[in-house]
Amino acid sequence: GAVVSQHPSRVICKSGTSVKIECRSLDFQATTMFWYRQFPKQSLMLMATSNEGSKATYEQGVEKDKFLINHASLTLSTLTVTSAHPEDSSFYICSARTGARAGELFFGEGSRLTVL
Amino acid sequence: AQSVTQPDIHITVSEGASLELRCNYSYGATPYLFWYVQSPGQGLQLLLKYFSGDTLVQGIKGFEAEFKRSQSSFNLRKPSVHWSDAAEYFCAVGSINTGTASKLTFGTGTRLQVTL
Repeated sequence: GAVVSQHPSRVICKSGTSVKIECRSLDFQATTMFWYRQFPKQSLMLMATSNEGSKATYEQGVEKDKFLINHASLTLSTLTVTSAHPEDSSFYICSARTGARAGELFFGEGSRLTVL
Repeated sequence: AQSVTQPDIHITVSEGASLELRCNYSYGATPYLFWYVQSPGQGLQLLLKYFSGDTLVQGIKGFEAEFKRSQSSFNLRKPSVHWSDAAEYFCAVGSINTGTASKLTFGTGTRLQVTL
C-alpha cells in the first residue's frame, strides 16, 4: 500500500513558539491531504483539507491563522501551529488521497505535540 | 450531517474468543464505510472498507464486516482474536457523492483489550 510519512513524530516546544509538522506521500502523488487532531482517548477530528496549489479548506471552529497549512507540492503538506499554547498539545495526524484511489486514504504515523 | 456511533468504549475478550465491534452510522445517502485500527502512539491502518456490492467485506488480519442498510450498521467481526489485536478501533463514514468520499467522519473508537 501507499506510504505516508509524518515528521517529526514527537515535538516539545515552549509556549509562544511556532512548530511545523510535515506530511509526505512517499510513493504516490497526493492531490489532497487532510489534517486531523486527536485528543487523548478521543476520536479524530478533521481540521482542514489541503489541496495542492490552492488554499486549504478549514472545518468550522478551526482557527486559520493559528493552524497554517501549505500544500506546495503533490508529495508534501505542512501544518504550522503558530504561537503554540498548552491547549494546542495534541496528536496531529495527516492523511493523503490519490486521485486514482477515490475514497481511500493513507494515514501518517502521527505527530505528538507537547507545548510547555 | 453524517455521524458515526460506536456504543462500546472498551471491550475485553480472551485470546481465541470471537469479537464483534459495533458501529452505527447516520447518513442520508449511500455511504462509504471504513474500519481503521490504531496502535498506541501510531497512525491509522485501514482494516477494510465498503463501497458497494457484497455486503460482507473481508479485510486484513482476519477481520470482516457486514453492512446492514436496514440497521444502519457496519459491525466488525473476527472469529478468533489474537493478543496482537489489542488496539483502538475506529469506524468511519464518508460521503459517496461529489468525490468527497475522503472526507471522513470518525466514531469515538472502541478500545480492545485481549487477555491471555
